[in-house]
Amino acid sequence: NAGVMQNPRHLVRRRGQEARLRCSPMKGHSHVYWYRQLPEEGLKFMVYLQKENIIDESGMPKERFSAEFPKEGPSILRIQQVVRGDSAAYFCASSPLPDTDPKGYTFGSGTRLTVV
Amino acid sequence: GESVGLHLPTLSVQEGDNSIINCAYSNSASDYFIWYKQESGKGPQFIIDIRSNMDKRQGQRVTVLLNKTVKHLSLQIAATQPGDSAVYFCAEIRYGQNFVFGPGTRLSVLP
Repeated sequence: NAGVMQNPRHLVRRRGQEARLRCSPMKGHSHVYWYRQLPEEGLKFMVYLQKENIIDESGMPKERFSAEFPKEGPSILRIQQVVRGDSAAYFCASSPLPDTDPKGYTFGSGTRLTVV
Repeated sequence: GESVGLHLPTLSVQEGDNSIINCAYSNSASDYFIWYKQESGKGPQFIIDIRSNMDKRQGQRVTVLLNKTVKHLSLQIAATQPGDSAVYFCAEIRYGQNFVFGPGTRLSVLP
């Protein structure tokens, strides 16, 4: 049973380009969470999605960032017109239910975005 | 606002010694606390959890202590090994809400 799969592992973008980060949750998990981790800092919540629905986007920047979790396929975190401050590791986690035993909350290995 | 924080950003211990990593939290309504280990280039990995109605929980070589009076959480690692070198995060959970992570403590195990 594969874990949470994120790709790409590393992504380099020039300022002004778009970055698309993908997350495939664990089999049987229908809830996806995105976190951002700046160097030498903890993880900060960005957005929580279920299939075809955004449940909580209170941690998402108001501009340039969007997320989706379509009926088919992975969840996508999209960053438009990237700036150097967007350079960070972006982690995805999935769970089978929102109030599940937190041990069932599984993280992927992250995508490290570098904006040059 | 509500936050979870750590007293020590870095901790160096001799191999074989015990390690204690601390965490302060401010949300007394949290239901659950988890300690995660993050190795370089990897995502957070679950270590041990504790519910808010408990004050101690033990795992294999690890113990978590919860002091609700002073809103303090600690992770104790017995007989620290080189493989324990990583960044450790505490996370605070309220059911139905998202995890709140502390800033992390880097544990370095010296030979």
